[in-house]
Amino acid sequence: GAGVSQSPRYKVAKRGQDVALRCDPISGHVSLFWYQQALGQGPEFLTYFQNEAQLDKSGLPSDRFFAERPEGSVSTLKIQRTQQEDSAVYLCASSYGLAASYEQYFGPGTRLTVT
Amino acid sequence: EDKVVQSPLSLVVHEGDTVTLNCSYEVTNFRSLLWYKQEKKAPTFLFMLTSSGIEKKSGRLSSILDKKELFSILNITATQTGDSAVYLCAVEDAGGTSYGKLTFGQGTILTVHP
Repeated sequence: GAGVSQSPRYKVAKRGQDVALRCDPISGHVSLFWYQQALGQGPEFLTYFQNEAQLDKSGLPSDRFFAERPEGSVSTLKIQRTQQEDSAVYLCASSYGLAASYEQYFGPGTRLTVT
Repeated sequence: EDKVVQSPLSLVVHEGDTVTLNCSYEVTNFRSLLWYKQEKKAPTFLFMLTSSGIEKKSGRLSSILDKKELFSILNITATQTGDSAVYLCAVEDAGGTSYGKLTFGQGTILTVHP
């Protein structure tokens, strides 16, 4: 099973707690994307990594959101002081190359519920 | 700002019917349009379209792009219950440093009854 994996699959957090969501991309994939998918909506771009470099973080909704990929492989999305509006599925995707001509493979997502 | 609008938002059909899903878009620097199928978890890739008028086919699914009218359709013939899913359309913007950055539509929820 060499697909994209994410953990945890489900996370319930009390408002104000910090959470960390993990993404293990397919080995050798250069590009890694994080998306946020609210209920009944399509995924929305959060941030993009090319290897360890975070080249675009324009979609992060606030400074409470932080992402890293220190060794160019595993990535972590951290949300500080969670709010109810952060409740969503967080999807990670990876691709071999630098454009969508290289298929983006999505992980199963982490469903975050903030109570 | 890039924008993708899909219609209808939901569709209920019976097995054997043919369906057409629509996707219109606005994008500053178009690179590609993609269709994904999303069941209960990860979106799975269906098609990538870059050129107008060239139909892409995979079994009972086909898709075509009209870059003049900024529009794409996804056709599914002889639908089966296993086709029930959310179908997502996305466009890739060629500008900036974030190659592969996708803007998704809201999705079309397709339900196929036996």
